Amino acid sequence: GENVEQHPSTLSVQEGDSAVIKCTYSDSASNYFPWYKQELGKRPQLIIDIRSNVGEKKDQRIAVTLNKTAKHFSLHITETQPEDSAVYFCAGLRGSNYKLTFGKGTLLTVNP
Amino acid sequence: KAGVTQTPRYLIKTRGQQVTLSCSPISGHRSVSWYQQTPGQGLQFLFEYFSETQRNKGNFPGRFSGRQFSNSRSEMNVSTLELGDSALYLCASSLEGRMLTDTQYFGPGTRLTVL
Repeated sequence: GENVEQHPSTLSVQEGDSAVIKCTYSDSASNYFPWYKQELGKRPQLIIDIRSNVGEKKDQRIAVTLNKTAKHFSLHITETQPEDSAVYFCAGLRGSNYKLTFGKGTLLTVNP
Repeated sequence: KAGVTQTPRYLIKTRGQQVTLSCSPISGHRSVSWYQQTPGQGLQFLFEYFSETQRNKGNFPGRFSGRQFSNSRSEMNVSTLELGDSALYLCASSLEGRMLTDTQYFGPGTRLTVL
């Protein structure tokens, strides 16, 4: 089955800096990669996703890139703000399979 | 539109007992997935239901089971509870569970503590 590894497990940045979180996946047939943000004590929320026919997707300060050959995808957050502090999860999915496989999460701390 | 709701929010049980958790999806959503979240293992997929049928199952023992009703509400059951079952159990709903086109919305979770 699919295996998704996520790095780093913790990341601390200064407000205004950029943050990058990387994930690798094992199933070359995976074709959908969402990213979720979970604030302390709250439910995970989808923040951005990318499909395997796209190399990059951007939504304001958040961007995701996908390298199918290397089987890795990354989340980029620019101009970080304290409210970006949360745990971020990447996930992978095969299109015909309704089962998301998550990475272990990255605790992002943005210091004011 | 009301979001995904889960009951109860907190639950304390002892080893050997069984527990039933409930999830009400967003109105109109027919797919419900269940996940277990623990500090060590992160988010792990339990199963997914669509139109009262289990379409997919994760790698959990048979003590974990679920079902979905005709109104799309779903329950999951854990029998013979073990200490390691202590976790946050999250359900998520989407229109038809087609990840490529649907967005999956999570509920607030049920925090299960096994003593």
